[in-house]
Amino acid sequence: QVQLQQSGAELAKPGSSVKISCKASGYTFTSYYISWIKQTTGQGLEYIGYINTGSGGTNYNEKFKGKATLTVDKSSSTAFMQLSSLTPDDSAVYYCARAGSFDYWGQGVMVTVSS
Amino acid sequence: DVVMTQTPVSLPVSLGGQASISCRSSQSLVHSNGNTYLHWYLQKPGQSPQLLIYRVSNRFSGVPDRFSGSGSGTDFTLKISRVEPEDLGDYYCLQSTHFPNTFGAGTKLELK
Repeated sequence: QVQLQQSGAELAKPGSSVKISCKASGYTFTSYYISWIKQTTGQGLEYIGYINTGSGGTNYNEKFKGKATLTVDKSSSTAFMQLSSLTPDDSAVYYCARAGSFDYWGQGVMVTVSS
Repeated sequence: DVVMTQTPVSLPVSLGGQASISCRSSQSLVHSNGNTYLHWYLQKPGQSPQLLIYRVSNRFSGVPDRFSGSGSGTDFTLKISRVEPEDLGDYYCLQSTHFPNTFGAGTKLELK
């Protein structure tokens, strides 16, 4: 069965970075792009961007350029998202999902930015 | 960016009753390839969103036929008939025709 397993919750200080992982199983990893989504109570669901899991090519929502960096390791069927220069506004739950119709989602990673 | 206007914000329903959620986009969601990439999700408390309907009217695997989607262009509807307790939660529409993909703000389906 298709699964996207994300890494655990993160507590980070302002100005630091975190790297979240999303490990895929149950399908051919390079057959689907991976998208990333941010969810907060205030802003709802926001689309961050996607990565082409075959080529590593990326496309970012303008709002998240410079904030998020998407990478992939095909050998381990894992996609990564690094969030940099963290501020309290980056506190959220971050999901990975198979791009297209977003048919499968990871369980989400709660990132808390606090001094 | 395409703005997805989802209504109502809150929808009280009775078990066994019917619910209807609307999603309107600020521009047409018809892709140049002729497909319309409008999808519906349910998010239960503490869980990830789960796909219900893809490309306007196609039920995802395992989704009961109580769920149906319709619409075209800029105007879309999700209908739930014979509401059951497991249907309660937050519903979202998503367009993936245009980049960046954008979500509706959500509709909370709750008991009357």
